[in-house]
Amino acid sequence: GENVGLHLPTLSVQEGDNSIINCAYSNSASDYFIWYKQESGKGPQFIIDIRSNMDKRQGQRVTVLLNKTVKHLSLQIAATQPGDSAVYFCAENLNTGNQFYFGTGTSLTVIP
Amino acid sequence: KAGVTQTPRYLIKTRGQQVTLSCSPISGHRSVSWYQQTPGQGLQFLFEYFSETQRNKGNFPGRFSGRQFSNSRSEMNVSTLELGDSALYLCASSLTDTSYNSPLHFGNGTRLTVT
Repeated sequence: GENVGLHLPTLSVQEGDNSIINCAYSNSASDYFIWYKQESGKGPQFIIDIRSNMDKRQGQRVTVLLNKTVKHLSLQIAATQPGDSAVYFCAENLNTGNQFYFGTGTSLTVIP
Repeated sequence: KAGVTQTPRYLIKTRGQQVTLSCSPISGHRSVSWYQQTPGQGLQFLFEYFSETQRNKGNFPGRFSGRQFSNSRSEMNVSTLELGDSALYLCASSLTDTSYNSPLHFGNGTRLTVT
Protein backbone atom coordinates (compact mmCIF):
# COMPACT_ATOMS: atom_id res chain seq x y z
CA GLY A 1 0.00 0.00 0.00
CA GLU A 2 0.89 3.63 -0.08
CA ASN A 3 3.55 4.58 2.41
CA VAL A 4 1.78 7.33 4.28
CA GLY A 5 3.81 9.19 6.86
CA LEU A 6 2.87 8.85 10.48
CA HIS A 7 1.03 11.83 11.90
CA LEU A 8 3.55 13.13 14.37
CA PRO A 9 2.02 15.00 17.31
CA THR A 10 3.65 18.36 17.84
CA LEU A 11 4.22 20.46 20.89
CA SER A 12 5.48 24.03 20.95
CA VAL A 13 6.59 25.64 24.19
CA GLN A 14 8.24 28.88 25.20
CA GLU A 15 11.79 28.71 26.42
CA GLY A 16 11.80 28.41 30.19
CA ASP A 17 8.37 26.82 30.41
CA ASN A 18 7.80 23.22 31.43
CA SER A 19 6.95 20.63 28.78
CA ILE A 20 4.84 17.53 29.13
CA ILE A 21 4.99 14.85 26.47
CA ASN A 22 2.52 11.99 26.64
CA CYS A 23 2.58 8.43 25.42
CA ALA A 24 -0.01 5.69 25.46
CA TYR A 25 1.61 2.28 25.42
CA SER A 26 -0.02 -0.79 24.02
CA ASN A 27 0.69 -3.82 26.18
CA SER A 28 -0.35 -4.14 29.81
CA ALA A 29 2.39 -6.76 30.27
CA SER A 30 5.14 -4.26 29.45
CA ASP A 31 7.37 -3.86 32.44
CA TYR A 32 10.12 -1.48 31.38
CA PHE A 33 9.90 1.85 29.62
CA ILE A 34 12.40 4.30 28.18
CA TRP A 35 12.14 7.82 26.82
CA TYR A 36 14.40 8.70 23.92
CA LYS A 37 15.22 12.00 22.25
CA GLN A 38 16.07 12.10 18.58
CA GLU A 39 17.57 15.15 16.94
CA SER A 40 17.67 15.59 13.20
CA GLY A 41 20.31 13.40 11.59
CA LYS A 42 21.06 11.50 14.77
CA GLY A 43 20.03 8.29 16.43
CA PRO A 44 17.75 8.18 19.49
CA GLN A 45 19.44 9.29 22.68
CA PHE A 46 18.53 7.78 26.06
CA ILE A 47 16.86 10.24 28.44
CA ILE A 48 15.36 8.32 31.32
CA ASP A 49 13.85 4.94 32.09
CA ILE A 50 11.35 3.48 34.54
CA ARG A 51 10.33 0.01 35.58
CA SER A 52 6.73 -1.02 36.07
CA ASN A 53 7.12 -1.29 39.84
CA MET A 54 7.58 2.48 40.00
CA ASP A 55 5.19 5.38 39.36
CA LYS A 56 7.70 8.17 39.06
CA ARG A 57 11.36 8.67 38.42
CA GLN A 58 13.34 11.87 38.26
CA GLY A 59 16.48 12.81 36.44
CA GLN A 60 18.18 16.06 35.67
CA ARG A 61 15.38 18.41 34.56
CA VAL A 62 13.26 15.42 33.52
CA THR A 63 10.61 13.36 35.26
CA VAL A 64 8.86 10.29 33.96
CA LEU A 65 5.43 9.31 35.27
CA LEU A 66 3.90 5.90 34.73
CA ASN A 67 0.20 5.14 35.09
CA LYS A 68 -0.26 1.42 34.57
CA THR A 69 -4.02 1.59 35.09
CA VAL A 70 -4.52 3.52 31.88
CA LYS A 71 -1.27 2.45 30.20
CA HIS A 72 0.05 5.97 30.05
CA LEU A 73 3.54 7.36 30.26
CA SER A 74 4.57 10.99 30.39
CA LEU A 75 7.81 12.90 30.21
CA GLN A 76 8.09 16.22 31.96
CA ILE A 77 10.90 18.56 31.04
CA ALA A 78 11.51 21.45 33.41
CA ALA A 79 12.67 24.85 32.20
CA THR A 80 12.67 23.79 28.56
CA GLN A 81 15.62 25.03 26.52
CA PRO A 82 16.12 25.44 22.75
CA GLY A 83 18.43 22.42 22.83
CA ASP A 84 15.47 20.31 23.91
CA SER A 85 13.87 20.73 20.48
CA ALA A 86 13.70 17.23 19.01
CA VAL A 87 11.40 14.26 18.49
CA TYR A 88 10.69 12.30 21.66
CA PHE A 89 9.83 8.61 21.66
CA CYS A 90 8.58 6.34 24.38
CA ALA A 91 9.58 2.69 24.15
CA GLU A 92 8.16 -0.31 25.99
CA ASN A 93 9.71 -3.68 26.74
CA LEU A 94 7.88 -6.89 27.56
CA ASN A 95 10.82 -8.51 29.31
CA THR A 96 11.91 -9.85 25.94
CA GLY A 97 15.56 -9.01 26.08
CA ASN A 98 16.36 -5.84 24.21
CA GLN A 99 13.33 -5.87 21.91
CA PHE A 100 11.46 -2.60 22.34
CA TYR A 101 8.25 -1.28 20.83
CA PHE A 102 8.43 2.40 20.04
CA GLY A 103 5.66 4.98 19.99
CA THR A 104 5.16 7.24 17.00
CA GLY A 105 6.98 10.13 18.61
CA THR A 106 6.21 13.74 19.52
CA SER A 107 7.96 16.66 17.92
CA LEU A 108 8.89 19.31 20.49
CA THR A 109 9.73 22.82 19.35
CA VAL A 110 11.07 25.32 21.85
CA ILE A 111 10.41 28.94 20.98
CA PRO A 112 13.18 31.27 22.16
CA LYS B 1 34.20 6.11 25.59
CA ALA B 2 33.27 5.94 21.92
CA GLY B 3 29.60 5.49 21.10
CA VAL B 4 27.96 3.07 18.70
CA THR B 5 29.50 3.42 15.26
CA GLN B 6 27.61 2.60 12.10
CA THR B 7 29.05 2.46 8.61
CA PRO B 8 28.44 3.61 6.01
CA ARG B 9 26.47 6.72 6.88
CA TYR B 10 24.67 6.82 3.54
CA LEU B 11 24.01 4.23 0.86
CA ILE B 12 22.25 4.33 -2.47
CA LYS B 13 21.35 1.02 -4.05
CA THR B 14 19.23 -0.22 -6.92
CA ARG B 15 16.25 -2.56 -6.63
CA GLY B 16 17.33 -6.18 -6.64
CA GLN B 17 20.77 -5.52 -5.21
CA GLN B 18 21.90 -6.53 -1.76
CA VAL B 19 23.49 -4.44 0.96
CA THR B 20 25.52 -5.01 4.11
CA LEU B 21 25.51 -2.55 6.99
CA SER B 22 28.02 -2.57 9.79
CA CYS B 23 27.80 -1.72 13.47
CA SER B 24 30.47 -1.46 16.15
CA PRO B 25 28.96 -1.41 19.64
CA ILE B 26 30.19 0.52 22.64
CA SER B 27 33.27 -1.17 24.05
CA GLY B 28 32.23 -3.89 26.47
CA HIS B 29 28.67 -4.12 25.20
CA ARG B 30 27.71 -7.62 24.14
CA SER B 31 24.19 -7.10 22.86
CA VAL B 32 23.46 -5.52 19.50
CA SER B 33 19.98 -4.77 18.19
CA TRP B 34 18.90 -3.44 14.82
CA TYR B 35 15.91 -1.20 14.12
CA GLN B 36 14.41 0.19 10.95
CA GLN B 37 13.04 3.73 10.99
CA THR B 38 10.70 5.00 8.27
CA PRO B 39 8.20 7.87 8.12
CA GLY B 40 5.43 5.36 7.47
CA GLN B 41 6.11 2.76 10.15
CA GLY B 42 8.27 4.56 12.69
CA LEU B 43 10.89 2.58 14.59
CA GLN B 44 10.56 -1.16 14.16
CA PHE B 45 12.64 -3.92 15.71
CA LEU B 46 14.55 -6.11 13.27
CA PHE B 47 16.63 -8.46 15.42
CA GLU B 48 18.90 -8.73 18.43
CA TYR B 49 22.17 -10.56 18.91
CA PHE B 50 23.93 -11.49 22.10
CA SER B 51 27.17 -13.47 22.24
CA GLU B 52 26.92 -14.21 18.52
CA THR B 53 23.42 -15.71 18.86
CA GLN B 54 20.21 -14.23 17.53
CA ARG B 55 17.87 -13.89 20.48
CA ASN B 56 14.87 -12.14 19.03
CA LYS B 57 13.61 -11.39 15.56
CA GLY B 58 11.02 -8.89 14.48
CA ASN B 59 8.35 -9.27 11.83
CA PHE B 60 10.49 -8.79 8.74
CA PRO B 61 10.92 -11.05 5.71
CA GLY B 62 13.81 -13.44 5.41
CA ARG B 63 15.58 -11.01 3.09
CA PHE B 64 16.70 -9.27 6.26
CA SER B 65 19.43 -11.12 8.10
CA GLY B 66 22.23 -10.36 10.48
CA ARG B 67 25.10 -11.75 12.40
CA GLN B 68 27.37 -10.91 15.28
CA PHE B 69 31.07 -11.58 15.52
CA SER B 70 33.11 -12.67 18.51
CA ASN B 71 34.19 -9.06 19.12
CA SER B 72 30.46 -8.09 19.34
CA ARG B 73 30.56 -6.18 16.08
CA SER B 74 27.48 -6.85 13.98
CA GLU B 75 26.40 -6.72 10.39
CA MET B 76 22.99 -6.81 8.83
CA ASN B 77 22.27 -7.79 5.27
CA VAL B 78 19.31 -7.05 3.06
CA SER B 79 19.04 -9.05 -0.14
CA THR B 80 16.93 -8.40 -3.22
CA LEU B 81 16.31 -4.81 -2.23
CA GLU B 82 12.87 -3.27 -2.71
CA LEU B 83 11.90 0.38 -2.85
CA GLY B 84 10.18 -0.02 0.50
CA ASP B 85 13.47 -0.92 2.15
CA SER B 86 14.52 2.71 1.94
CA ALA B 87 14.93 3.71 5.56
CA LEU B 88 17.25 4.73 8.35
CA TYR B 89 18.74 1.59 9.85
CA LEU B 90 19.72 2.01 13.47
CA CYS B 91 21.99 -0.16 15.51
CA ALA B 92 21.84 -0.13 19.30
CA SER B 93 24.09 -1.78 21.82
CA SER B 94 23.57 -2.79 25.41
CA LEU B 95 25.82 -4.14 28.11
CA THR B 96 23.68 -7.18 28.77
CA ASP B 97 20.91 -9.17 27.20
CA THR B 98 18.33 -7.63 29.50
CA SER B 99 17.95 -3.91 29.14
CA TYR B 100 17.04 -3.34 32.80
CA ASN B 101 20.72 -3.22 33.63
CA SER B 102 21.79 -1.22 30.62
CA PRO B 103 19.48 0.68 28.29
CA LEU B 104 19.95 0.64 24.53
CA HIS B 105 22.43 3.13 23.15
CA PHE B 106 21.90 3.96 19.51
CA GLY B 107 24.25 4.88 16.71
CA ASN B 108 23.40 7.61 14.21
CA GLY B 109 22.24 5.09 11.64
CA THR B 110 22.81 4.23 8.02
CA ARG B 111 20.50 6.00 5.59
CA LEU B 112 19.66 3.52 2.81
CA THR B 113 17.99 4.74 -0.35
CA VAL B 114 16.77 2.19 -2.88
CA THR B 115 16.11 3.48 -6.39
